[in-house]
Amino acid sequence: QSVLTQPPSASGTPGQRVTISCSGSRSNIARNTVNWYQQVPGTAPKLLIYSTNQRPSGVPDRFSGSKSGTSASLAISGLQSADEADYYCSTWDDNMNGHVVFGGGTKLTVL
Amino acid sequence: QVQLQESGPGLVKPAETLSLTCTVSGGSISSYSWTWIRQPPGKGLDWIGYIYYSGTTSYNPSLKSRVTISVDSSKNQFSLRLNSVTAADTAVYYCARGGSKYGSDAFDIWGQGTMVIVSS
Repeated sequence: QSVLTQPPSASGTPGQRVTISCSGSRSNIARNTVNWYQQVPGTAPKLLIYSTNQRPSGVPDRFSGSKSGTSASLAISGLQSADEADYYCSTWDDNMNGHVVFGGGTKLTVL
Repeated sequence: QVQLQESGPGLVKPAETLSLTCTVSGGSISSYSWTWIRQPPGKGLDWIGYIYYSGTTSYNPSLKSRVTISVDSSKNQFSLRLNSVTAADTAVYYCARGGSKYGSDAFDIWGQGTMVIVSS
C-alpha cells in the first residue's frame, strides 16, 4: 500500500490531453514539492517533473505538473504513442524523521 | 556525462545479506546525495534510502533496521547492504543521484538497474 495514491491506469488517444492524479496528505504533498517520473517498461525511470511544476532540460512542454492542498497532478497534452509508459509521483514525507515516498504508479495507454 | 552502474550478486539466499555497489563515472561522488530504490517484479518504486557525500544517511522507516548505505569516495562508489533478506526483497535495484539543481529528493540520473532474486 503506497503512501501516495495514484489511479492504476489512464488512457487517451493521440492528440488528447490526459491528467494523472496523486493523492497524499498533510505530512507529504501539502508541505513539500512533488516530482514525477516516467518509466518505459524494461528501463529505468526518468525524471519528468521536479519541484511540482518544473521540467528538466529536454522534457517537452507538453508535460506539466501542479499541486493543490494534499493532491498533485501530471498533465500531458498532445498525447503521443511514445508517452505510453508508467508514471510515478514522489515527494518527501515529514513523518518518522522524514523519508521519500512514491505513488503506486499509473500505466498510461495511448489508444 | 555522469553515469551510474550497479553491480553485485543476482541471487541471494534467504536470511543472508544482499550487497550491491553503484559505481559513479563521469563525475565525482563528492557532491550530491546517492540513493537506492527498488522495484519488485510488476510493482511500483520503493525508496530504500540515501547517503550524502558527507556520510549523512536517511532510510525508509520500513527497512531501517536492515539497511546500511555507505560511500567510498576513493573508488567513486556507494554501496547497499540489506540483511536478513526474504523473498519479498526480490526486486530490480536501482541506484540514483539526488540533490542536484532539481532538488534534494529529485533523482535525475539512474543506473540501469540490477535484478536480485532471493531464493534458496
